[in-house]
Amino acid sequence: GIQVEQSPPDLILQEGANSTLRCNFSDSVNNLQWFHQNPWGQLINLFYIPSGTKQNGRLSATTVATERYSLLYISSSQTTDSGVYFCAFNTNAGKSTFGDGTTLTVKP
Amino acid sequence: NAGVTQTPKFQVLKTGQSMTLQCAQDMNHEYMSWYRQDPGMGLRLIHYSVGAGITDQGEVPNGYNVSRSTTEDFPLRLLSAAPSQTSVYFCASSYGSFGEQFFGPGTRLTVL
Repeated sequence: GIQVEQSPPDLILQEGANSTLRCNFSDSVNNLQWFHQNPWGQLINLFYIPSGTKQNGRLSATTVATERYSLLYISSSQTTDSGVYFCAFNTNAGKSTFGDGTTLTVKP
Repeated sequence: NAGVTQTPKFQVLKTGQSMTLQCAQDMNHEYMSWYRQDPGMGLRLIHYSVGAGITDQGEVPNGYNVSRSTTEDFPLRLLSAAPSQTSVYFCASSYGSFGEQFFGPGTRLTVL
């Protein structure tokens, strides 16, 4: 099956810094999602982004499907951005395959 | 809309006990699925459903049963709980085969 690799596995930032998280997949995918899992374990939808670029406030995402990667940009990070960021691609029949995540810690 | 709801939020079982994790969605989504998340890992698919009356196995189905009698509900049954099933369980739904997935808040299960 298609493999998903996320990097870096861990990231520590000072509040106000910018960061880029990467998601590589081993074959073409039809679509891709980014999630934030907060410290309480809740999975929050960030972006549904099969291709192109989307922005939502301080967060933006870019998927280049032909080159099999997606990037999540976080600008001016805040302590509330801490948590685990997952990318997942959605296969047919409503199933998702997840990467192992990037753990982000933002220090005040 | 409540979205995807799950009950209970927490559960402690003894080895060998059975229980049902409940999942419901009010978005009229055809597709529903169950995942488990073990510490430090991403989510892995247990079972999924493409509509009422139709279910199939995912990556890690052993020890779990599902059924889907209505569009709204997709319960997950643990037949005889084992410590290896200690995990956080998430239910999800989507509209369309490749549609955006929406997740419930999760059930944290501990098997002693």
